[in-house]
Formats: sequence, C-alpha cells, structure tokens
Amino acid sequence: KAGVTQTPRYLIKTRGQQVTLSCSPISGHRSVSWYQQTPGQGLQFLFEYFSETQRNKGNFPGRFSGRQFSNSRSEMNVSTLELGDSALYLCASAVGGPTEAFFGQGTRLTVV
Amino acid sequence: ELKVEQNPLFLSMQEGKNYTIYCNYSTTSDRLYWYRQDPGKSLESLFVLLSNGAVKQEGRLMASLDTKARLSTLHITAAVHDLSATYFCAVVGEAGNQFYFGTGTSLTVIP
Repeated sequence: KAGVTQTPRYLIKTRGQQVTLSCSPISGHRSVSWYQQTPGQGLQFLFEYFSETQRNKGNFPGRFSGRQFSNSRSEMNVSTLELGDSALYLCASAVGGPTEAFFGQGTRLTVV
Repeated sequence: ELKVEQNPLFLSMQEGKNYTIYCNYSTTSDRLYWYRQDPGKSLESLFVLLSNGAVKQEGRLMASLDTKARLSTLHITAAVHDLSATYFCAVVGEAGNQFYFGTGTSLTVIP
C-alpha cells in the first residue's frame, strides 16, 4: 500500500517568489491536511480539504492557499515568499478526518 | 484557544532506564495521538487513544489516556538507543479535522 507522497522533497526559493507543493494521499483517503513545522512555532495547522472543499483553515495569512483535485491530490501555494516561510511542510492523509492520519515525508522549503 | 503542553521538552536518559512523558491538553477531546519524529523525517504514528482509560503498548512504549484529567502519558521502559527521537502528542479540535500538536519531547538515550 503506497504511502503519502509529497513533492518536491526540497526547495530553495528567493524572497518574493511563489511556490507550489504537492501531496498525493493514500488511495481511498479523501481528507488532506497541511501543517507547517518550524523550530520556533512547532507544528501548526494550515488547512484541511475533503472532497475538493476546504473544511478548515488555520491562522495563516492569505499568501498561503491550497486546493484539492477530484483525485484527492492536493496542492498548497505560498505567494510572495518571506524568510519566515522557511519550514518543513507536512501533509496528512486520512479517510475522512484525522481519526488516524498518515503523514508524508514533507517538503523542506528554504527561502533565501 | 486549544492548548497542548508536553513535558519535559528535552529528556536525556541512560539505556535501561524508565521514564514518562506527559501531555496535558485544554479541550474535552476524547481522542489523543502520539507520533514519533526522527531528525529531518516525517511523523510516524505510534498510538491512537480513543477513550478514557485507554492504554496501548508497543514494545518498550506504553501510552495511556485520562480524559477527565486531560492527561496522556507515554511511558518508556528500559530505554534503548533506537528510541532516540522527538515525540509529539496531538488532540483533535472541535471541528474534528485538525490536529493540535504539543511542543514535542526530544528524547536522547545515552548508551
């Protein structure tokens, strides 16, 4: 059974650029959540999608956005990158909510 | 705002010793999760505790949940080096689709 796949694994971007991260959930899972992990703030919830609808959003600026496709794959986009956006971005896959969620390997974003 | 607190934040222990990590949370959630994270890696699910009094064990790790006290514990028995990692607890918010994570406990087991 394939796990949660995040691409790319590593990214280096310049301030002001935008970036798109991708997450393919486990087959049959319809819920995808995104989390940002930094040494200072820990693990923080960005948003959750279920069947192409955003059901919940964390306390992040509008520069952070996401979407989910009909095949449950999800993308998140960060525009006008700031140095503080450097983090490990994790996505979690669940059947219908985090009853049991499985995390991908993450995308390490570095903003320079 | 829902808060999840773990202690200790850092734990250095010798092989063969026992220790307990504590997780306190501020909501009435009856579901609690424990994850392990190795450096630079993702989160690995360890335990899902779904009711008051739930106890689960896997190898040298045992987790328990007391929903009345809003407390979960992760007990380590006879620690070995392979257990060195960061351990997170998490609860689910009222919306049912968002994890609130604790600060994490960085465990180092010294030979």
